[in-house]
Amino acid sequence: GESVGLHLPTLSVQEGDNSIINCAYSNSASDYFIWYKQESGKGPQFIIDIRSNMDKRQGQRVTVLLNKTVKHLSLQIAATQPGDSAVYFCAENQGGSNYKLTFGKGTLLTVNP
Amino acid sequence: KAGVTQTPRYLIKTRGQQVTLSCSPISGHRSVSWYQQTPGQGLQFLFEYFSETQRNKGNFPGRFSGRQFSNSRSEMNVSTLELGDSALYLCASSETGGRGNTIYFGEGSWLTVV
Repeated sequence: GESVGLHLPTLSVQEGDNSIINCAYSNSASDYFIWYKQESGKGPQFIIDIRSNMDKRQGQRVTVLLNKTVKHLSLQIAATQPGDSAVYFCAENQGGSNYKLTFGKGTLLTVNP
Repeated sequence: KAGVTQTPRYLIKTRGQQVTLSCSPISGHRSVSWYQQTPGQGLQFLFEYFSETQRNKGNFPGRFSGRQFSNSRSEMNVSTLELGDSALYLCASSETGGRGNTIYFGEGSWLTVV
C-alpha cells in the first residue's frame, strides 16, 4: 500500500532496547488519550489508552505516561522487537460525549536487528 | 469477532466523479466514525454516527457526506471528486462512541483521484 505520514519525526532503536515515543497535546480539556500503531498499508491498531485521572497505565510491554501539567504523553515499549517498527500516533478526545479523536502527526519507529 | 471491514480497499476515480465507501463495524458496535488520512494533513476526523444519526462532523466541505443504516453499517460519499481527495479513508467503530470507549479502525479504503 501507499505510505502515509511522510516527513515524520523518527526514532531508530536497536532490537531489545526500550523505546520512548513522545507526544504533546494541545487541549487542556482533553480527558482521554489513546496510542495507535500503524504499519505500512494498514489501518491504525489500538495499543493502549489512558484517562486523564491517571498518570500511568501499563499493558503488555507498553506503558503510557500522562503529564497533564505540561500536556505531555509518552509511550514506552520494552524490549523493542522488529515487529514494533511502525508509525505511532497519539490521539486525544477533547471532551464531550461524542467521539472525535484528534491525532498527532505520528512518529516513525524503526527497529534495527 | 470480526474486525471493522471496509470496502473497497483500493479504487481509482476521475476528477468530478463521485465515490461511495462502505464500512461494517465490529458486531455490537453502534458508533461509526470516519477519518481521512493524507501525508500532508495526517488523520482528520470526518464525521461520527450513532443509531443512524450524525452526532459530530469535522471541518470538511459538504461534498463529504455519510449515513448509517439500522444494522450500524455505514457509508460515506464524496461527490465532485478533486485531486486533493486522494487519501486513505478510515472507518472506526466503538460500542457507543462515549468517552473511554475503545475505537477500533478498519484497514481503510485507498482512494486515488486522477
